[in-house]
Amino acid sequence: NAGVTQTPKFRVLKTGQSMTLLCAQDMNHEYMYWYRQDPGMGLRLIHYSVGEGTTAKGEVPDGYNVSRLKKQNFLLGLESAAPSQTSVYFCASSTGVRTDTQYFGPGTRLTVL
Amino acid sequence: KNQVEQSPQSLIILEGKNCTLQCNYTVSPFSNLRWYKQDTGRGPVSLTIMTFSENTKSNGRYTATLDADTKQSSLHITASQLSDSASYICVVTLYNTDKLIFGTGTRLQVFP
Repeated sequence: NAGVTQTPKFRVLKTGQSMTLLCAQDMNHEYMYWYRQDPGMGLRLIHYSVGEGTTAKGEVPDGYNVSRLKKQNFLLGLESAAPSQTSVYFCASSTGVRTDTQYFGPGTRLTVL
Repeated sequence: KNQVEQSPQSLIILEGKNCTLQCNYTVSPFSNLRWYKQDTGRGPVSLTIMTFSENTKSNGRYTATLDADTKQSSLHITASQLSDSASYICVVTLYNTDKLIFGTGTRLQVFP
């Protein structure tokens, strides 16, 4: 039981390049989330999904797209990376939202030059 | 504006000592308050979740308290260990929504 895994762990991009971050969970959770964490700021929600085939915008969705084609996977895409997207990205999953524990992945450190 | 503020920003204590971290929030109404522990370079791990009707919840040496009237929560760590060195994040869920509001965390360092 691996919990929540993220691929890759580190990545360096040039401005304008694209990439996809992969999140996978093996706990059969319905809800999945993508957050970014920047120095001096709390975790901020980018996008989330309440089930396979669904996605919804979070607090800071601009510049990102997501897809949830399979229940266990949640993909975060950057179509044209910008230096402002340099951050640590965390994926999380939970059975629900309001009173349920969120389980976080180990994070992806992304640098955009 | 719905906000979660934590204090202090950072704290240094000696191994074996107790400490208390504070969380003040303006989120209203709220459904629950969570405390997470985040080790350097790792994702956050849940310590406690309290609903608005709960006053206290423990998880081993960690005890969280909640005063919904004053909109304050605290996390008390007893007999600290070196492994307690981490950031501790307070999170409040806005009532009847999917919105979680994160504090910026308190960075705790425990020295031998």
